[in-house]
Amino acid sequence: EDKVVQSPLSLVVHEGDTVTLNCSYEVTNFRSLLWYKQEKKAPTFLFMLTSSGIEKKSGRLSSILDKKELFSILNITATQTGDSAIYLCAVEADNRLAFGKGNQVVVIP
Amino acid sequence: EAGVAQSPRYKIIEKRQSVAFWCNPISGHATLYWYQQILGQGPKLLIQFQNNGVVDDSQLPKDRFSAERLKGVDSTLKIQPAKLEDSAVYLCASSLRGLANTGELFFGEGSRLTVL
Repeated sequence: EDKVVQSPLSLVVHEGDTVTLNCSYEVTNFRSLLWYKQEKKAPTFLFMLTSSGIEKKSGRLSSILDKKELFSILNITATQTGDSAIYLCAVEADNRLAFGKGNQVVVIP
Repeated sequence: EAGVAQSPRYKIIEKRQSVAFWCNPISGHATLYWYQQILGQGPKLLIQFQNNGVVDDSQLPKDRFSAERLKGVDSTLKIQPAKLEDSAVYLCASSLRGLANTGELFFGEGSRLTVL
């Protein structure tokens, strides 16, 4: 059975802090790893990672994949209250997308 | 570009009643997914369609859940009879690329079901 484990499950930070979210996985026939941000509505796409060691960056968010150690990290720098959300990690394998439970991030002013 | 449309947004029913959810994917997207997201958990795949054919329904509780995608466009998900543990948000998603590479999914806003 495919496993996608995210940690920490929840955290509270102050505005301006840096957040590091972890997603580890055990799947067969890995194809890609995706990060989504879920606020009160639909999850929105952040990154898709397929190769080890290549950082993807979008503004204050960045992500990297380690296919040897089977994990990915999502970093958020200089956090803002608008970053409060659940961050979902999903792993694509065997034409299926398996999600983790999510990292709930709360940013307080 | 219009996104994935779902309805109804909210539904409250009593256990043993039936309910149906509707999804209209992004135009041209061949692959359509229904996910169940229980509070505090990540989305769990219920069924995946490629055009109007079922690719994966291994996690669909077939004794009470059914889904169809007529003409390879809109889809409906039905629960009959509902149980308390079916309370969840039902997310529909679509993607442009099909079996060869799932790629990026576009999600609808979800249908929140409460079973009393």
